[in-house]
Amino acid sequence: GQQLNQSPQSMFIQEGEDVSMNCTSSSIFNTWLWYKQDPGEGPVLLIALYKAGELTSNGRLTAQFGITRKDSFLNISASIPSDVGIYFCAGLYNQGGKLIFGQGTELSVKP
Amino acid sequence: NAGVTQTPKFQVLKTGQSMTLQCAQDMNHEYMSWYRQDPGMGLRLIHYSVGAGITDQGEVPNGYNVSRSTTEDFPLRLLSAAPSQTSVYFCASSYGTSVYNEQFFGPGTRLTVL
Repeated sequence: GQQLNQSPQSMFIQEGEDVSMNCTSSSIFNTWLWYKQDPGEGPVLLIALYKAGELTSNGRLTAQFGITRKDSFLNISASIPSDVGIYFCAGLYNQGGKLIFGQGTELSVKP
Repeated sequence: NAGVTQTPKFQVLKTGQSMTLQCAQDMNHEYMSWYRQDPGMGLRLIHYSVGAGITDQGEVPNGYNVSRSTTEDFPLRLLSAAPSQTSVYFCASSYGTSVYNEQFFGPGTRLTVL
């Protein structure tokens, strides 16, 4: 089946530091999505990317859709304690709604 | 709107027992789906539905049944629970299956099978 490789698996950073995580795939995706999951909750959509090369920001978050359509990255600038959680990338091939998720990056922020 | 609701929040079963995980949404969404989340594996699609009366299998359907008799509800049934089904289960819904339709997730059901 399709797989997304997300890295790193976990990160321990100091408040104020920037964070970067990425996802790669052996398959081409038409849409890349980035979700955040708080403890005990379901994932919430942060950023959606629809075109190869697209760079999109949402506050301190910036994500890019790789030119090859096989990768994407998410950057978080000036991290704060509430950024703690698990971040997932997800890919969509086309219409149909079936998401393929990465393994997740667990972020810990030390005040 | 309550969004996507799931019950129960926690459940412990013995091997061989059956149960139904409930999912409901009040957003008139056509598309609903079930995922399971296991450590280090992200979320994997179990079953999905593009509308009332229509269901299909996802990536890991074995051991689970679904039905969609109404737009609002999409229950997931475990007919004979196994320890391998210990996981966190998430239901999600979206207005349609277009890539532009955001999927909204419920809070999850944490299932332990002994």
